[in-house]
Amino acid sequence: EAQVTQNPRYLITVTGKKLTVTCSQNMNHEYMSWYRQDPGLGLRQIYYSMNVEVTDKGDVPEGYKVSRKEKRNFPLILESPSPNQTSLYFCASSSPTVNTGELFFGEGSRLTVL
Amino acid sequence: QKEVEQDPGPLSVPEGAIVSLNCTYSNSAFQYFMWYRQYSRKGPELLMYTYSSGNKEDGRFTAQVDKSSKYISLFIRDSQPSDSATYLCAMSVMYGNNRLAFGKGNQVVVIP
Repeated sequence: EAQVTQNPRYLITVTGKKLTVTCSQNMNHEYMSWYRQDPGLGLRQIYYSMNVEVTDKGDVPEGYKVSRKEKRNFPLILESPSPNQTSLYFCASSSPTVNTGELFFGEGSRLTVL
Repeated sequence: QKEVEQDPGPLSVPEGAIVSLNCTYSNSAFQYFMWYRQYSRKGPELLMYTYSSGNKEDGRFTAQVDKSSKYISLFIRDSQPSDSATYLCAMSVMYGNNRLAFGKGNQVVVIP
């Protein structure tokens, strides 16, 4: 089954404790991206990657890091989480060669930073 | 001015009613227009996709794009309780450009 898999789905952590949210897709997509979704603010892009070893900032990159060492994986790293990073996070992927550019989203990771 | 405006107010309708959702945008370079549907505790899924101006129909769903007014709409006919979800508009500039600009989303509740 074609899917984007995120882990963990739910996480409660404390300020300053480094964490990584993993994302993996099995569709051989070149493009991957991370979004956060907050009430009243909608979906905002954090980082994206057009292909392996190519990453770029989205609209709200501060406090986050990413890496793209393999085509299928795109982990999101919070080096020193803060309470304002409490949010619902989505990983997404797509193939730029498909004419709709449809994004396939994971099921989300709800993060709480105390 | 935000690139994409979507009034995020919730919408409750009785089963069988027509649901009307819309977004406005400011970037005249947008050419690809999409509606995503997001069920509770799930990621968004593509519902409708339209290129440039015009209408597109898929079953009970109709997407309209008016580029002259920078306005897009989604209509759901004969709404069903299973249509209860958040609907997000999204748009992009280029073919294969994956940098979508999203609206904030409308939560729709269809009451049986």
